[in-house]
Amino acid sequence: TQLLEQSPQFLSIQEGENLTVYCNSSSVFSSLQWYRQEPGEGPVLLVTVVTGGEVKKLKRLTFQFGDARKDSSLHITAAQPGDTGLYLCAGVGDNYGQNFVFGPGTRLSVLP
Amino acid sequence: DAEITQSPRHKITETGRQVTLACHQTWNHNNMFWYRQDLGHGLRLIHYSYGVQDTNKGEVSDGYSVSRSNTEDLPLTLESAASSQTSVYFCASSEAGDSPLHFGNGTRLTVT
Repeated sequence: TQLLEQSPQFLSIQEGENLTVYCNSSSVFSSLQWYRQEPGEGPVLLVTVVTGGEVKKLKRLTFQFGDARKDSSLHITAAQPGDTGLYLCAGVGDNYGQNFVFGPGTRLSVLP
Repeated sequence: DAEITQSPRHKITETGRQVTLACHQTWNHNNMFWYRQDLGHGLRLIHYSYGVQDTNKGEVSDGYSVSRSNTEDLPLTLESAASSQTSVYFCASSEAGDSPLHFGNGTRLTVT
């Protein structure tokens, strides 16, 4: 069974600070997706990383896929209150039957 | 715009009752999924379908069933609701095996 761990589980920071959240597994994934979920809503895709070592930027968010495709990180520069939410990583495997494995999430709170 | 809608948004039921949660998507996606989300567990796959008349069990399928009679709908049925099934349920759809998931806004189910 493929498992994903995320750390930290909770993070509360002041507006303007930088932060990094991590997504780790002992399994190799063909790609990895990051989602953000706000209260009362479903998760929304932020980015997909596919190649080992790949770095993608989305405004103040930087996503990196580990060289071995077992882990990923999300770095937010100068966090804003609008970044508050639950960040979920999802590993996409080669098992066509059950492709997505979700981590438990990192709950981020950015205080003004 | 294409969307995926779930109903009801909130449901309270008694132990032992049969409950059906609706999911309707207008993306014309072949793939549809049901997840439950519980604190500390992230999203766990209940059932999924890759097309009409196709259904498959996920990680936590006991006590749940689905049917797929058309492309747009994948209703989730709890045969005999149990308190352990109190959770937030999310329906999702995707275009292909590893394409990003489009989620509904969830159904909060409480079993008393």
